[in-house]
Amino acid sequence: SQKIEQNSEALNIQEGKTATLTCNYTNYSPAYLQWYRQDPGRGPVFLLLIRENEKEKRKERLKVTFDTTLKQSLFHITASQPADSATYLCALPASLNNAGNMLTFGGGTRLMVKP
Amino acid sequence: DGGITQSPKYLFRKEGQNVTLSCEQNLNHDAMYWYRQDPGQGLRLIYYSQIVNDFQKGDIAEGYSVSREKKESFPLTVTSAQKNPTAFYLCASSIGPAGGLSNSPLHFGNGTRLTVT
Repeated sequence: SQKIEQNSEALNIQEGKTATLTCNYTNYSPAYLQWYRQDPGRGPVFLLLIRENEKEKRKERLKVTFDTTLKQSLFHITASQPADSATYLCALPASLNNAGNMLTFGGGTRLMVKP
Repeated sequence: DGGITQSPKYLFRKEGQNVTLSCEQNLNHDAMYWYRQDPGQGLRLIYYSQIVNDFQKGDIAEGYSVSREKKESFPLTVTSAQKNPTAFYLCASSIGPAGGLSNSPLHFGNGTRLTVT
């Protein structure tokens, strides 16, 4: 089964800087990868999806890359703001054939943006 | 507004009691899911349902039960057989089912925090 590794230590950065979060997976290369944001005491909210044939995806200040050779996705937030402080989760299909739209989630990385 | 509603937000129970967590969605999604989240761990799948009157066990189904009698509702019962029931429970839905828009994102409710003492 797929295993996902996200840095469990919090990432602290200064407002205005670019935050970069890492998601590494260990087994087969997935057909796609998703990123979610989770605030304390709330459910995750979908942010971006990137497919295996896409190197990069952008949405406003967010950018996601997908390197199937390194088995890694990077999630960037440019011009970070204190409101970006949250936990960010990556998720991959739970099985190779993606039956049932089941996802495996990483443990998430907490981002703290200081003013 | 369309979305998923979980209730209650906080739930307290004594050990040995069964408890049912509510999940309702008005997104007209076929697939619904229950996840459990513990501190420092990723979300773990308990049960999922791709269509009404059908559901399958996820990775940690022992001690839990579900029903899917209506498209919009997917209640989860935490039974006394669940050894460590204290956790944050998240319900989600997606357009689904398998073979369709299978990369569609999950829409989550805001969770129920269950404490069993």
